[in-house]
Amino acid sequence: NAGVTQTPKFRILKIGQSMTLQCAQDMNHNYMYWYRQDPGMGLKLIYYSVGAGITDKGEVPNGYNVSRSTTEDFPLRLELAAPSQTSVYFCASTGTGFGEQFFGPGTRLTVL
Amino acid sequence: DAKTTQPTSMDCAEGRAANLPCNHSTISGNEYVYWYRQIHSQGPQYIIHGLKNNETNEMASLIITEDRKSSTLILPHATLRDTAVYYCIVRVNAGNNRKLIWGLGTSLAVNP
Repeated sequence: NAGVTQTPKFRILKIGQSMTLQCAQDMNHNYMYWYRQDPGMGLKLIYYSVGAGITDKGEVPNGYNVSRSTTEDFPLRLELAAPSQTSVYFCASTGTGFGEQFFGPGTRLTVL
Repeated sequence: DAKTTQPTSMDCAEGRAANLPCNHSTISGNEYVYWYRQIHSQGPQYIIHGLKNNETNEMASLIITEDRKSSTLILPHATLRDTAVYYCIVRVNAGNNRKLIWGLGTSLAVNP
């Protein structure tokens, strides 16, 4: 199993540009999450999904959108990138139990 | 979900036990205690979780006080590779979202 994969690893955007961060998992997990982590801080939940076709907002959803058309994929869309969105983005998944969340390696995004 | 309080940083000598405290004085009866760690900007890694009883796995032990207002994560023989930020999180294991709310964690430095 590859686990949770994220692409790209790094990206530099100009203010106002848009992009999609990709996340995929091959563990057949129902629950998937997007977090952002600013320097020296803990993770903040952006959006989460409890299954294909079902998504909900987390703590910091403004400026982002998500979709979940399949169990495996959970892309995060940034519209009109702003410098405040400079951060490291982590995707995670978990199965139906309450055990561990599995994290991807992260995407480091800089908006200039 | 209840909030947690952790020391900002700790040091430990290599080969010695590392004892990381966490205060969760407002924890509810149905909230679990989770521990994750993050090694230098990698995706967080699950360590252990528990409700009332002490728990042990191949990575660590979790000691929860009888009143459940605090807990201690024990790394029995710390190595240099255990240098990381350790997050203590409490969460209700019910409902539909499986969300984790992250604090700032404890930065553990294991010294040779």
